[in-house]
Amino acid sequence: GAGVSQSPRYKVAKRGQDVALRCDPISGHVSLFWYQQALGQGPEFLTYFQNEAQLDKSGLPSDRFFAERPEGSVSTLKIQRTQQEDSAVYLCASSLADRDQPQHFGDGTRLSIL
Amino acid sequence: DAKTTQPPSMDCAEGRAANLPCNHSTISGNEYVYWYRQIHSQGPQYIIHGLKNNETNEMASLIITEDRKSSTLILPHATLRDTAVYYCIVKIQGAQKLVFGQGTRLTINP
Repeated sequence: GAGVSQSPRYKVAKRGQDVALRCDPISGHVSLFWYQQALGQGPEFLTYFQNEAQLDKSGLPSDRFFAERPEGSVSTLKIQRTQQEDSAVYLCASSLADRDQPQHFGDGTRLSIL
Repeated sequence: DAKTTQPPSMDCAEGRAANLPCNHSTISGNEYVYWYRQIHSQGPQYIIHGLKNNETNEMASLIITEDRKSSTLILPHATLRDTAVYYCIVKIQGAQKLVFGQGTRLTINP
C-alpha cells in the first residue's frame, strides 16, 4: 500500500516568506506527527495530532510555526516569516491508534531559506 | 524517556552479521526499545521494537539483556543496502513522540 507522502520534496524560499508543507498519511492512520531534522542531526519532534485534534505542540520552536489537520487526514505545516534557521528537512509520520504502534515516516520536505 | 548511548560509527563486511549495540542503563520497566534506520535522503524506517523479550522479524533481531540496560540490533546477513544511520530509541509505554539521538552510522563494505 501507499506510504506517507510529503510535498513538495524540495522548497526554496526567501527569508520572510511564508511556506506550507503538506503531509498525506497512510490511510486509516489516526496519529500524525511532524519532526524537524537539521543537517547531521536526528529528527526532533514538533507536534502530534490524533485525528483532527492537536494534542501536543510542545516542540514547535516559535509561534511562527503552525500545523493543522482539519479533517483528520491530510496535514499542513505552515511557517510564517521564515528565517534562515528554519532550513531543515521536515518529516511527517503516521501510525495506527495504539500508541505503541510504530511510526511510519515520509521522505520529508527539504526546506532551504535564502 | 531514558537516554540511549550508541557508538557513532561502525563497519561491517557484506554478508556478515551486523551487531549494533545500544546502552540504556536508566530504562524503566514501562519503556520500550525501538530501532529505526535512516538511509541517505529518506525518512526514518521502522525496524523492530521490544519491551522485555527478544524479538525477531523479517528485517532483524532485537536482543535485550535480562536487566534491560542494554540491547543489540542484529542484521543477520548485511547487504550494501543496509548502509544507514541506525537509531536506538527508548519510549515510555503510551507516550507518543520519539526522541532521536545521534545514532550509529553503519557502513557495509563489499
